[in-house]
Amino acid sequence: GENVEQHPSTLSVQEGDSAVIKCTYSDSASNYFPWYKQELGKRPQLIIDIRSNVGEKKDQRIAVTLNKTAKHFSLHITETQPEDSAVYFCAASKGTYKYIFGTGTRLKVLA
Amino acid sequence: GAVVSQHPSRVICKSGTSVKIECRSLDFQATTMFWYRQFPKQSLMLMATSNEGSKATYEQGVEKDKFLINHASLTLSTLTVTSAHPEDSSFYICSARAAGGEQFFGPGTRLTVL
Repeated sequence: GENVEQHPSTLSVQEGDSAVIKCTYSDSASNYFPWYKQELGKRPQLIIDIRSNVGEKKDQRIAVTLNKTAKHFSLHITETQPEDSAVYFCAASKGTYKYIFGTGTRLKVLA
Repeated sequence: GAVVSQHPSRVICKSGTSVKIECRSLDFQATTMFWYRQFPKQSLMLMATSNEGSKATYEQGVEKDKFLINHASLTLSTLTVTSAHPEDSSFYICSARAAGGEQFFGPGTRLTVL
């Protein structure tokens, strides 16, 4: 079955700097890759997603890149702000059905 | 975005009792809902896929007789933790799959079994 690895597990950046979180997946048939942000005690919120027919997608300060050959995808957050501090999860799925989540990255943005 | 509610948000029960958690999609119909379990500082682990009008599909290692799932309508799925024990204490989160395939999550239920 699918296996998703996520790195780093924790990440601290200065406010205004960029943050990059990387995920790798094992099943080449996976074709949908969402990213979720989860604040403490709250529900995961979808922040951006990418499908396998696209190499990059951007939404304001957030971007995701996908390398199908290497089977990895990354989340990029630019101009980080304290409110970006949260746990971020990547996921992979086939046909937007069952998601397999990564282990999460705890991002701290230092003011 | 689509709204998913979950009830109750917190529940404390005695060992041996059963607890029912409801997951509702409020502004869209969901033929498929998912149930996850999340331990502190850990990822979301898929427990089962709930399909409206049919039996749920459980992930490997999840006891179907312990975690009963009923998806009685296009907007409601329930998870019943039967004969709960302290090791079942966890954060249970549901999600509902929208027409475009995205999953929208409920706010979660924190279960504490004494």
